[in-house]
Amino acid sequence: NAGVTQTPKFQVLKTGQSMTLQCAQDMNHEYMSWYRQDPGMGLRLIHYSVGAGITDQGEVPNGYNVSRSTTEDFPLRLLSAAPSQTSVYFCASAAGASGANVLTFGAGSRLTVL
Amino acid sequence: QKEVEQDPGPLSVPEGAIVSLNCTYSNSAFQYFMWYRQYSRKGPELLMYTYSSGNKEDGRFTAQVDKSSKYISLFIRDSQPSDSATYLCASGGSYIPTFGRGTSLIVHP
Repeated sequence: NAGVTQTPKFQVLKTGQSMTLQCAQDMNHEYMSWYRQDPGMGLRLIHYSVGAGITDQGEVPNGYNVSRSTTEDFPLRLLSAAPSQTSVYFCASAAGASGANVLTFGAGSRLTVL
Repeated sequence: QKEVEQDPGPLSVPEGAIVSLNCTYSNSAFQYFMWYRQYSRKGPELLMYTYSSGNKEDGRFTAQVDKSSKYISLFIRDSQPSDSATYLCASGGSYIPTFGRGTSLIVHP
């Protein structure tokens, strides 16, 4: 049972480039979310989804897009990378809206934007 | 001001010490309280989960919630070097938890 799988683990981009961070879970979880973690800032919610076809914005959504076409996958797209998006990104999932407080996290994707 | 406040530390203790980690929250609607542990360069993992007020114990770990003072605590007994990590408190009233900034704990042999 793999849990939450994130790819890539590391990525270096130049300003203005676009890319997609992949997230997949094999637990049939309804709820999925993306966080960024920066020193001194803790975990900040970017986008979340309560089921296939449903997404919503979190605390820091600007510069990011998401879609949820299947229960398993929740990719995060950076449209035009900026140095301010240098961060560690975590995908997290939970069984359902009522149990979404209990999150299972992926191992993280470390992104550097030059 | 964040809805969940947590002192970032670092907190450095000798092996075997009792560790107390604390958070405060501001939203009275919060009913769920969690502690996550995050080792360096890893994802957070759930350590303790409590609903409403009271204590919950799991081995060397005890989570305590005081809703009257909006105070969340995690106690670690007989701390070990393997407990060295960042501890994140989290709370929520619906399905989206709010995280504190995390406290870095260092347990030295």
